[in-house]
Amino acid sequence: GAVVSQHPSWVICKSGTSVKIECRSLDFQATTMFWYRQFPKQSLMLMATSNEGSKATYEQGVEKDKFLINHASLTLSTLTVTSAHPEDSSFYICSGSIPSSSYEQYFGPGTRLTVT
Amino acid sequence: QKEVEQNSGPLSVPEGAIASLNCTYSDRGSQSFFWYRQYSGKSPELIMFIYSNGDKEDGRFTAQLNKASQYVSLLIRDSQPSDSATYLCAVKDYGQNFVFGPGTRLSVLP
Repeated sequence: GAVVSQHPSWVICKSGTSVKIECRSLDFQATTMFWYRQFPKQSLMLMATSNEGSKATYEQGVEKDKFLINHASLTLSTLTVTSAHPEDSSFYICSGSIPSSSYEQYFGPGTRLTVT
Repeated sequence: QKEVEQNSGPLSVPEGAIASLNCTYSDRGSQSFFWYRQYSGKSPELIMFIYSNGDKEDGRFTAQLNKASQYVSLLIRDSQPSDSATYLCAVKDYGQNFVFGPGTRLSVLP
C-alpha cells in the first residue's frame, strides 16, 4: 500500500500556543488529503478535506480559523492548531487519497497532541 | 444524512474461528466500500475494498457486498489473536466523500 508520514508523532504544548502538524505522501501524489480527529474510544471524525492548491473544505462545526490547513504541494499538507486549548488534545490523523478507480485513502500514523 | 452502521461489539471469537463483521449503509448511491483495521493507539490501515456485488478474497479476508440490501461484510478466516482490533467500515460516493462507521471491536481469544 501507499505510505503516508506525519510529523511529529506526538507533541505537548502549552495552552494558547500554536502547533503545526505535517502530513506527507511518500510514494504517491495525493491530490486530496483529509484530516481527522479521534478522541479516545471514539470513531474517526473528519475535520476537513484539502485539495492541492485550493482552500480546504471544513466539516460543519470545525473552526477554520482555529484549524488552518495548507495543501501546498501534491505530497504535503499541514494542519496548524492555533491558540490551542486543553480540549484540543486529541489524536490527529491525516490521509491521502489515490486517484484510482476507488480513491482509497491511506492514513498517516497520527499525531497525538496534548495541550497543558 | 449519510450513515454507516456497525455493531460496536466487542465481538469475541476463539482462535482459528471465522470472524464475521457487518456493516450497513444508508446511501444507495454509494460506490465503493472499504474495510480498515485500527489497533489501539494506532491509525487505521486499509485491509481491502470492494465495489462490485459479490465476494472479494484476499488471503484470510473476504469482503462481501450486497448493494440491494445495502450491506457489506468482512469475514476473517482462521482468526488469530493478532487480528484483535477495531474494524472500520467506510463507504464512498461518486466523489471522494468517505463516511466511516463507528467500528466493531474484535477480540480473538487464544
